[in-house]
Amino acid sequence: TQLLEQSPQFLSIQEGENLTVYCNSSSVFSSLQWYRQEPGEGPVLLVTVVTGGEVKKLKRLTFQFGDARKDSSLHITAAQPGDTGLYLCAGVDYKLSFGAGTTVTVRA
Amino acid sequence: EAQVTQNPRYLITVTGKKLTVTCSQNMNHEYMSWYRQDPGLGLRQIYYSMNVEVTDKGDVPEGYKVSRKEKRNFPLILESPSPNQTSLYFCASSSMPSGNTIYFGEGSWLTVV
Repeated sequence: TQLLEQSPQFLSIQEGENLTVYCNSSSVFSSLQWYRQEPGEGPVLLVTVVTGGEVKKLKRLTFQFGDARKDSSLHITAAQPGDTGLYLCAGVDYKLSFGAGTTVTVRA
Repeated sequence: EAQVTQNPRYLITVTGKKLTVTCSQNMNHEYMSWYRQDPGLGLRQIYYSMNVEVTDKGDVPEGYKVSRKEKRNFPLILESPSPNQTSLYFCASSSMPSGNTIYFGEGSWLTVV
C-alpha cells in the first residue's frame, strides 16, 4: 500500500481552467515536497512545505500543507499546456516517501 | 551545471545476463540513491548511500546490488535480471538524505525479456 495517496490519478483539462491535486497520508511528515516530471526526464523539485498550514505560491501554482502535516494540495490557476506532466508529492522524514503521482494533461 | 548522469538510458536485456547501470554526479553530494518507477506505484527506493563505502537497503532491494567506492559514482548492479525488474530507474543525489533539493538523473529504461 502507498504511504502517500494522490488523487486524482489522471486529470485532463482545457487551457485556462483551474485544477487541484491532493496528497493524503495517515503519517505525519516533517515536511512535504512536490515534484513535476516530464516524459523522458527525472522529477524536478517544485517546492518544499515545512510548517503546518503553510501556503506557498510559485507563479500560478499554490501549494498548501495541512495543519496536521499529513496532507497537502497543489492548485494551478489558469492552466497552460506547459503545465502538462506527472506531479508527485513526497513526504519527508528520515527519507522520502513518494506518492504514485497525478498525470495532468492541459489541452490547448 | 549540476548534473546526475545515468547510463545507459535505454537497455533491453535477457533474463540472467548481468548488467550495471552507472550513475555519476558532479555536485560533491554525499547522499545518493536509486529508485525504480512503475505505473501506479510511484518512485520506490532500492538502495541509498550516505557516503563513500556506506550503503543501505531501501524499500525494494531484492535482486539489486550497489557500490560506492568514490563519492561521485553509485552504480546499480543487477546480477541476474528477471522480467519483474523491467522498470524505469532513477539515480538521485543530494547534500542530505531528505529535506534538501534532490537532483534526479534522466532515467534508465530497462526491459528484461
